[in-house]
Amino acid sequence: EAQVTQNPRYLITVTGKKLTVTCSQNMNHEYMSWYRQDPGLGLRQIYYSMNVEVTDKGDVPEGYKVSRKEKRNFPLILESPSPNQTSLYFCASSLAGGSSGYTFGSGTRLTVV
Amino acid sequence: DQQVKQNSPSLSVQEGRISILNCDYTNSMFDYFLWYKKYPAEGPTFLISISSIKDKNEDGRFTVFLNKSAKHLSLHIVPSQPGDSAVYFCAASTDSWGKLQFGAGTQVVVTP
Repeated sequence: EAQVTQNPRYLITVTGKKLTVTCSQNMNHEYMSWYRQDPGLGLRQIYYSMNVEVTDKGDVPEGYKVSRKEKRNFPLILESPSPNQTSLYFCASSLAGGSSGYTFGSGTRLTVV
Repeated sequence: DQQVKQNSPSLSVQEGRISILNCDYTNSMFDYFLWYKKYPAEGPTFLISISSIKDKNEDGRFTVFLNKSAKHLSLHIVPSQPGDSAVYFCAASTDSWGKLQFGAGTQVVVTP
């Protein structure tokens, strides 16, 4: 089944403790992206990647890192999480960028206390 | 500053009737517009898109209309069904590789 898999689905952590949210897609998509969803703000892009080793900042990249060492994986790293990073996170992939329609993962609910 | 705005946070419609969801944007460089549907505890799913060279695109019960001069697009769902109850996000991009800018979403509830 074609899908984007994120792990974990739920995570509660403490301020400052480094964490990684994994994302993997099995569709051989070039384009991958991370979004966060907050009430009243919709989905805002954190980082995106157009191909292996090519990443760029989205609208809200502060406090996040990403890497794209393989085509299928695009982990999101929070080096020192803070409470304002409590949010619902979505990974997405696309064959050819935003206009062709993303396939989204099921989301990761992160709470930083 | 949000470049894509969905000013109606919620919409209630009777089963069988038409649902009309609206979206306004401020960036005249947007070239592609998309609608996504999201159920609770799931990721958004792509619904329908339109490029700026068109003013209408239809896919089954879903039709998207684009009015570039007004910087406005709308999604029509006809007829509305209970399974259409979800949050709908409008999104826009400046080019095929560009990042998507999303609106805040509209919660649609279809009542029997």
